[in-house]
Amino acid sequence: DAGVTQSPTHLIKTRGQHVTLRCSPISGHKSVSWYQQVLGQGPQFIFQYYEKEERGRGNFPDRFSARQFPNYSSELNVNALLLGDSALYLCASSPGTSPAGELFFGEGSRLTVL
Amino acid sequence: DAKTTQPNSMESNEEEPVHLPCNHSTISGTDYIHWYRQLPSQGPEYVIHGLTSNVNNRMASLAIAEDRKSSTLILHRATLRDAAVYYCILRDVVGMYTGNQFYFGTGTSLTVIP
Repeated sequence: DAGVTQSPTHLIKTRGQHVTLRCSPISGHKSVSWYQQVLGQGPQFIFQYYEKEERGRGNFPDRFSARQFPNYSSELNVNALLLGDSALYLCASSPGTSPAGELFFGEGSRLTVL
Repeated sequence: DAKTTQPNSMESNEEEPVHLPCNHSTISGTDYIHWYRQLPSQGPEYVIHGLTSNVNNRMASLAIAEDRKSSTLILHRATLRDAAVYYCILRDVVGMYTGNQFYFGTGTSLTVIP
């Protein structure tokens, strides 16, 4: 079975540009979460979506937005890119929202902002 | 949100047991204790989780203190493939409705010596 897939795997943008990152969850999983991981730090929560509704938002500016589609795939959008947005962006899926549930992570999209 | 405290780094000899500690003194009664690990250039992967009782699976064991203010992840025989950053995370039932994001912290970087 396919795991969580993310695209693109690597990308380079310049300051002020916009980026869209995509995530396909494991088949049957209805929850998708996004995390930002800056070099040397642990992942930081950005958004969680469940059944196409936003369930949680981390401490990120409004330049960050996301959505979940009817097939449960998801997009993360970042506008007006800053140098500090350079990071590994991780997508995770899970069947539901149980606190006992396991998160399955993709390998991430590495964004470099010049 | 309940926080966890872990040592920044630990070393272990190959084929010896490893005990990775985690302090979570502000844990609430509904917080699950999760452990994930992240190998270089990969997304985090699930290791184990528990609520009150000790837990075992094919990867590791989780020992939870009686007062639940600390826990220990036990790798019974460390291999070179176990070299990774290990994250101890608390996740609560309230988050099912508000977005039960994981707060990763900086984790423990485990080095396995051949």
